[in-house]
Amino acid sequence: EADIYQTPRYLVIGTGKKITLECSQTMGHDKMYWYQQDPGMELHLIHYSYGVNSTEKGDLSSESTVSRIRTEHFPLTLESARPSHTSQYLCASSVGGGPYEQFFGPGTRLTVL
Amino acid sequence: GESVGLHLPTLSVQEGDNSIINCAYSNSASDYFIWYKQESGKGPQFIIDIRSNMDKRQGQRVTVLLNKTVKHLSLQIAATQPGDSAVYFCAENKNDMRFGAGTRLTVKP
Repeated sequence: EADIYQTPRYLVIGTGKKITLECSQTMGHDKMYWYQQDPGMELHLIHYSYGVNSTEKGDLSSESTVSRIRTEHFPLTLESARPSHTSQYLCASSVGGGPYEQFFGPGTRLTVL
Repeated sequence: GESVGLHLPTLSVQEGDNSIINCAYSNSASDYFIWYKQESGKGPQFIIDIRSNMDKRQGQRVTVLLNKTVKHLSLQIAATQPGDSAVYFCAENKNDMRFGAGTRLTVKP
């Protein structure tokens, strides 16, 4: 089991709410990633970070934002959730340099009503 | 554009048979490839990887084959078990990791 954690695992909220999805890893990895995935479908990279104070947008346009103030923590925030944000959000991390495998958290399944 | 994709979206095999899951990639500059297994409600889990300087790598009951000439990657699972039922993703890496759409493997008892 990889030491990467996501909370909450499931979240159902109303439209317009602000939410933060938490991701933490205890492996000391420099690189962290957020993916969006519909059930059984491919993973789309929405944000990544190569280290503290580094954040970049991924291939898939997203209205979310991320921060990387500490190596182990990479939260994702939606300022105003909409039904189109309903999806599974996966956090991953990997060591610097590389390429190396990414370790994934269990995911947060978000439903916006 | 460059893409990673799988030939078949679903695969059904009998328990005990061997499974072969295929993946095509189009970025000839990719130098690292991974197979992931994702069970329902969980994040993807690393199975095996291979770098572009190799054409075959074996793990426990799994083998990955890389054919750079035709840009093809395959995952072979020996003696498939019910616990192997999952969605399998290939991923390629050059500067970033890119994932394919996934193949759902169903193992029939």
